[in-house]
Amino acid sequence: NAGVTQTPKFRVLKTGQSMTLLCAQDMNHEYMYWYRQDPGMGLRLIHYSVGEGTTAKGEVPDGYNVSRLKKQNFLLGLESAAPSQTSVYFCASSFLWDRASYEQYFGPGTRLTVT
Amino acid sequence: GQNIDQPTEMTATEGAIVQINCTYQTSGFNGLFWYQQHAGEAPTFLSYNVLDGLEEKGRFSSFLSRSKGYSYLLLKELQMKDSASYLCAVRVDRGSTLGRLYFGRGTQLTVWP
Repeated sequence: NAGVTQTPKFRVLKTGQSMTLLCAQDMNHEYMYWYRQDPGMGLRLIHYSVGEGTTAKGEVPDGYNVSRLKKQNFLLGLESAAPSQTSVYFCASSFLWDRASYEQYFGPGTRLTVT
Repeated sequence: GQNIDQPTEMTATEGAIVQINCTYQTSGFNGLFWYQQHAGEAPTFLSYNVLDGLEEKGRFSSFLSRSKGYSYLLLKELQMKDSASYLCAVRVDRGSTLGRLYFGRGTQLTVWP
């Protein structure tokens, strides 16, 4: 099992460019999440999905869009990148029922710099 | 909103014991997680408490008091490899959304030889 994988690992964008971050999980998890992590800010939820074809906003959704067309994939899109979106992006997934804990499993992260 | 507080930094020496505290104020609380995150890596699960009391896992223990909105992570027999950021996260169940986590800002622990 690969667990949760993210592509790309690193990316540099210019202001105004667009890109898509891909998250894939092979654990048959229902829930998937996108977080961003900035120095001194902790992990903040951008968007999440409770199942194929459904998405919802988290704490900091502005400037991002997501799609979950297949259960195993969760895509995060930046339509017009801004320097404020420079961050490390983590994808996570969890079972609907996992010993009633909802432990989230994290991918390795994508380091994005917007110049 | 959720209010989760933990110290920004802590230091300790190898072999010692350290306690990292986390306080929270939230509605819909249904459990508290501790994650460990080494620099440049993803967070990894350490513990989950939903009932009051102490959960022990080897060198690591986690405690929860729901009435006080308080948890701590206890690390014994510290090793250099324990130098990492420790993230406190509360699980909130609200309406049809279950299992959503709200994270504190993390406590950077440095272990000195």
